[in-house]
Amino acid sequence: EAQVTQNPRYLITVTGKKLTVTCSQNMNHEYMSWYRQDPGLGLRQIYYSMNVEVTDKGDVPEGYKVSRKEKRNFPLILESPSPNQTSLYFCASSPQSGGDTQYFGPGTRLTVL
Amino acid sequence: AQSVTQLDSHVSVSEGTPVLLRCNYSSSYSPSLFWYVQHPNKGLQLLLKYTSAATLVKGINGFEAEFKKSETSFHLTKPSAHMSDAAEYFCVVSESNAGNMLTFGGGTRLMVKP
Repeated sequence: EAQVTQNPRYLITVTGKKLTVTCSQNMNHEYMSWYRQDPGLGLRQIYYSMNVEVTDKGDVPEGYKVSRKEKRNFPLILESPSPNQTSLYFCASSPQSGGDTQYFGPGTRLTVL
Repeated sequence: AQSVTQLDSHVSVSEGTPVLLRCNYSSSYSPSLFWYVQHPNKGLQLLLKYTSAATLVKGINGFEAEFKKSETSFHLTKPSAHMSDAAEYFCVVSESNAGNMLTFGGGTRLMVKP
């Protein structure tokens, strides 16, 4: 089944403890991206990647890192999480670009205490 | 720079009545425009997209949207609401010259009363 998977789905952590949220797609898509969703703000793009080893900042990249060593995986790294990074995070992929239909993962709800 | 404004944060309709969710965008270049739907505790699903072909775009589940360049609008409509349409809807713009960034509106929560 074609899908985007994220792990973990739920995470509660403490300020400053490094964490990684994994994202994987099995559709051989070139484009992958990360978003955070906050009430009233819609989704805001954190980082995106056009291809392996190519990543770019979105609207809200501060406090986040990403890597794209393989086409299928696009992990989101929070080196030193803070409470303002408490949010619902979505990973998405598309065949070529942001102008293509995005396929979203199920979301990761992160709470930073 | 691109931006999207969804004019209503909440819309309430009765089952069987028309739905109108309003979206205005700002874009320096010819944009791609999308509507996505998010049901409670679910990821987002594409409803429809506009990519400079026909200005009236038909999507899934009876939804459609009309691209009006002069009004910079891309409103989402459905002739008759169903209870299963209750969800949050997002209008999205993408410009190829913006490095393929996507910009989302703040979302409109649609409530459908029996």
